[in-house]
Amino acid sequence: GIQVEQSPPDLILQEGANSTLRCNFSDSVNNLQWFHQNPWGQLINLFYIPSGTKQNGRLSATTVATERYSLLYISSSQTTDSGVYFCAVAWVVNSGYALNFGKGTSLLVTP
Amino acid sequence: NAGVTQTPKFQVLKTGQSMTLQCAQDMNHEYMSWYRQDPGMGLRLIHYSVGAGITDQGEVPNGYNVSRSTTEDFPLRLLSAAPSQTSVYFCASTQDSLYGYTFGSGTRLTVV
Repeated sequence: GIQVEQSPPDLILQEGANSTLRCNFSDSVNNLQWFHQNPWGQLINLFYIPSGTKQNGRLSATTVATERYSLLYISSSQTTDSGVYFCAVAWVVNSGYALNFGKGTSLLVTP
Repeated sequence: NAGVTQTPKFQVLKTGQSMTLQCAQDMNHEYMSWYRQDPGMGLRLIHYSVGAGITDQGEVPNGYNVSRSTTEDFPLRLLSAAPSQTSVYFCASTQDSLYGYTFGSGTRLTVV
């Protein structure tokens, strides 16, 4: 399957700071997604972004498919942004597709 | 708009017991899948379904069984629970396998 690597593995920010999370993948993809897993364990889909740039409030994401990476930007971070951020790409499994997840970036935003 | 609903949220089983984790979605999604999340291993695909009556194995299918009799429901059955199946289980659905996925809130399972 496609290898997905995320960096950094851990990140501590003070409230109000900006950050950039990176996702590298080993092959061309037509499906890349970013998820946020909150401290209660719930997985929230942030972006479906196989290419280009999208923005949603303080969060934005850019995928450069030809160079096999995606970036997630968090601006003016808040304590509620804490949790783990996962990048996931679709890969072929038997007769269908599955999401292959990176190991995640664990973010802690302090007051 | 419930999205993807998983029950139960927590479960403790004894080794050898069987149980069914329930997953239901109300978005008329054709594609549903089960993942398990373990520390240091990320999320791994157990089984998936591309529509009613059609299921297939993922990366880690051993010890689990699924069926898809309706579009809405995709239960996961543990045939004979083992401590190695202690994990958090997530169900997910999507309109198409190449679109955004919606995840349920998870089931935390402990096998003792």
